[in-house]
Amino acid sequence: NAGVMQNPRHLVRRRGQEARLRCSPMKGHSHVYWYRQLPEEGLKFMVYLQKENIIDESGMPKERFSAEFPKEGPSILRIQQVVRGDSAAYFCASSSVGPSVIYEQYFGPGTRLTVT
Amino acid sequence: TQLLEQSPQFLSIQEGENLTVYCNSSSVFSSLQWYRQEPGEGPVLLVTVVTGGEVKKLKRLTFQFGDARKDSSLHITAAQPGDTGLYLCAGGGGSYIPTFGRGTSLIVHP
Repeated sequence: NAGVMQNPRHLVRRRGQEARLRCSPMKGHSHVYWYRQLPEEGLKFMVYLQKENIIDESGMPKERFSAEFPKEGPSILRIQQVVRGDSAAYFCASSSVGPSVIYEQYFGPGTRLTVT
Repeated sequence: TQLLEQSPQFLSIQEGENLTVYCNSSSVFSSLQWYRQEPGEGPVLLVTVVTGGEVKKLKRLTFQFGDARKDSSLHITAAQPGDTGLYLCAGGGGSYIPTFGRGTSLIVHP
């Protein structure tokens, strides 16, 4: 299966711990997007990355959240000192081209973060 | 800021019924995507429409892009329980990031 992979699928953290969410894009895709989704809500954009570059992080909180997409390996969304309000589903999507007339994205299955 | 309004927010119907869901904006989009998301899974791309007035069919699903490229509709004929899910529209154009609507949650009862 060459689809977008995310792990872990479920992550439980206590308040104050760190959460690390991983995303491997589809083969051949070099553009990665991270989204957050709360129940009964749509997708909230967080950050857009290309290999070794953060292109747009306007949707990501300035504190405690960071993202990277290294030359080798998966993209990682890191949340430090988690709080209960961070509990949500986090989705990664990848695309083969950058912004163009077509914005098709392919999503992973998501990581469900629960902060206790 | 580009916004996409989806309606209705919730829809509960019986198997075999037809339905239409809408995606509206005051902004023009260069393209528009429809996704279906099942509980516990990520959204799955169904279709992309690019040209104003374009109609695309995917089995029992018919997608239409408005002439002015500001709105779109999804019509499902003879709905089946397997159609249950959250239907999201997303529009592109004007920035790096597609704009997502909040979705229509569809339940089809057997």
